[in-house]
Amino acid sequence: AQKITQTQPGMFVQEKEAVTLDCTYDTSDPSYGLFWYKQPSSGEMIFLIYQGSYDQQNATEGRYSLNFQKARKSANLVISASQLGDSAMYFCAMREDNNDMRFGAGTRLTVKP
Amino acid sequence: AAGVIQSPRHLIKEKRETATLKCYPIPRHDTVYWYQQGPGQDPQFLISFYEKMQSDKGSIPDRFSAQQFSDYHSELNMSSLELGDSALYFCASSLGVGPNTEAFFGQGTRLTVV
Repeated sequence: AQKITQTQPGMFVQEKEAVTLDCTYDTSDPSYGLFWYKQPSSGEMIFLIYQGSYDQQNATEGRYSLNFQKARKSANLVISASQLGDSAMYFCAMREDNNDMRFGAGTRLTVKP
Repeated sequence: AAGVIQSPRHLIKEKRETATLKCYPIPRHDTVYWYQQGPGQDPQFLISFYEKMQSDKGSIPDRFSAQQFSDYHSELNMSSLELGDSALYFCASSLGVGPNTEAFFGQGTRLTVV
């Protein structure tokens, strides 16, 4: 069964605007971690932001914030003030009690000038 | 800050050959993970090591093996290579294990099997 679902294969956003990338997950474990990674065309996987299942507040890292809605099992990534360099693939991932980090299918974000 | 180092960055091999990929984790990180990302696909977990012991196993083929050495670096050995093994192979490292542990990825090794 798919554990991580990213329903947006591709997204477009105008430079300087905000964009939300969707991620829903499925787990019965009470303890889990949610991660977002950015993969530019060069291929490297860049860690962006992390949210723990017990964290009371939404995680924020600079222009990135995670809209964590535990009851809905969603962990959407919000990028504010988009820049051209934000164009990349974005992966949502989850780790449960074991070591296996599972990734969603990814969303390709294109920032338009 | 030091990151995860993978070598080589690019590798071309013929079918049925062997390949060895190396991963040097962030200093003081004790856990290493290997992922395989096929073209246009999301990364698939292969195997992980914690304190030099295998800690979890994913979809790693029997033709592949891996280990973590005393200095915490890890090697992924791939034998009898097939065309379908062509992919981007990522190594990631973390300090400790568990759902709350952040994993940092290397730049990947792009393997092409011809």
